[in-house]
Amino acid sequence: DSGVTQTPKHLITATGQRVTLRCSPRSGDLSVYWYQQSLDQGLQFLIHYYNGEERAKGNILERFSAQQFPDLHSELNLSSLELGDSALYFCATSRYRTASGANVLTFGAGSRLTVL
Amino acid sequence: GQNIDQPTEMTATEGAIVQINCTYQTSGFNGLFWYQQHAGEAPTFLSYNVLDGLEEKGRFSSFLSRSKGYSYLLLKELQMKDSASYLCAVRRQYGNNRLAFGKGNQVVVIP
Repeated sequence: DSGVTQTPKHLITATGQRVTLRCSPRSGDLSVYWYQQSLDQGLQFLIHYYNGEERAKGNILERFSAQQFPDLHSELNLSSLELGDSALYFCATSRYRTASGANVLTFGAGSRLTVL
Repeated sequence: GQNIDQPTEMTATEGAIVQINCTYQTSGFNGLFWYQQHAGEAPTFLSYNVLDGLEEKGRFSSFLSRSKGYSYLLLKELQMKDSASYLCAVRRQYGNNRLAFGKGNQVVVIP
């Protein structure tokens, strides 16, 4: 158990709809990273929040937005959904360090989104 | 820019050794990670290399050559539970985890 909780685990919705995915990091984890994994693209970095502030954006569409709340949980909002948005969405934190001191991403179990 | 290449699939026999390669061309380099991902599950961390050479960790070893933009993951004494996708990921800048992932190499272990 990574200690990073994501809900819902599965979500099926229709094109044009809007969904919200939630991520609760472990107590004390200030960073939240969102990644998207689709069959043809692999794992793609979407956005990074640290202690409530947006730190970096990756390949995130304008239809997608995120925020991190004072209790450090984060939500990823996906709107005007298209078939191509069907993917696994992971959040991750970076508290764990290797023996050499490098930060390592620890992923939640993911939310599988299916757009029909 | 970034380009991270991995072969897509390989099959190996239980007890054997398998080598999974990763080549990368990225704007910036500050370490390479290997993750294991079972189907439908989260990626889990296996190893990290930032300097050239071999890092050994039980049945898994990882090698890095920065001048060649090349890494490999070596899995020894393969077990059925090692059937998974193996992802390499490059960190381009010190201090952040906005990793660039390859598409992964699916390893199928057969009896």
